[in-house]
Amino acid sequence: EDQVTQSPEALRLQEGESSSLNCSYTVSGLRGLFWYRQDPGKGPEFLFTLYSAGEEKEKERLKATLTKKESFLHITAPKPEDSATYLCAVHTNFGNEKLTFGTGTRLTIIP
Amino acid sequence: DAMVIQNPRYQVTQFGKPVTLSCSQTLNHNVMYWYQQKSSQAPKLLFHYYDKDFNNEADTPDNFQSRRPNTSFCFLDIRSPGLGDAAMYLCATSRGRGRRYEQYFGPGTRLTVT
Repeated sequence: EDQVTQSPEALRLQEGESSSLNCSYTVSGLRGLFWYRQDPGKGPEFLFTLYSAGEEKEKERLKATLTKKESFLHITAPKPEDSATYLCAVHTNFGNEKLTFGTGTRLTIIP
Repeated sequence: DAMVIQNPRYQVTQFGKPVTLSCSQTLNHNVMYWYQQKSSQAPKLLFHYYDKDFNNEADTPDNFQSRRPNTSFCFLDIRSPGLGDAAMYLCATSRGRGRRYEQYFGPGTRLTVT
């Protein structure tokens, strides 16, 4: 069974304090790894898709990277508006075309 | 703006009283999904439609049904809600299935069962 584990569960940072969120996976044939942002009481918002180890993508203060076992979401000099839950999800060979999500990291940026 | 709309945003129903949640999209996407998300948990896929083709997840309870009368609309019916069905229900769409197609989510419907 495909498994996606995110750590830490929660992270509090001072504004401007850079850090990384981790998504580790155990799956049968990774075909894509997705990062989403979810604000309280709202649906997830798509951020990135990564397809192969070594791939990187950036958007404003966020940078996502992928290895054969895990993905990192690096956040550089975060601002309070970056506070949200960050979810990763995997698309696999045998997942019936579905995404399997992790439980997310709840990020709080303190002004 | 093209979007995914869910109604109502908040729904309160009584134990055992049928309830229907609505999702509409202006993206003209082929695929529509329903997820259940409980507090601090991962979204869990219940089922999806690829055009008119219905795809149920093996562990989705029979209590949950879905209808897609046309491309734009999809409904989630809970025939006899139990206390354990209280959750956020998320509708999502994508242009196609597969790794090249990201999913776009609506704001969700928060269901309370009393």
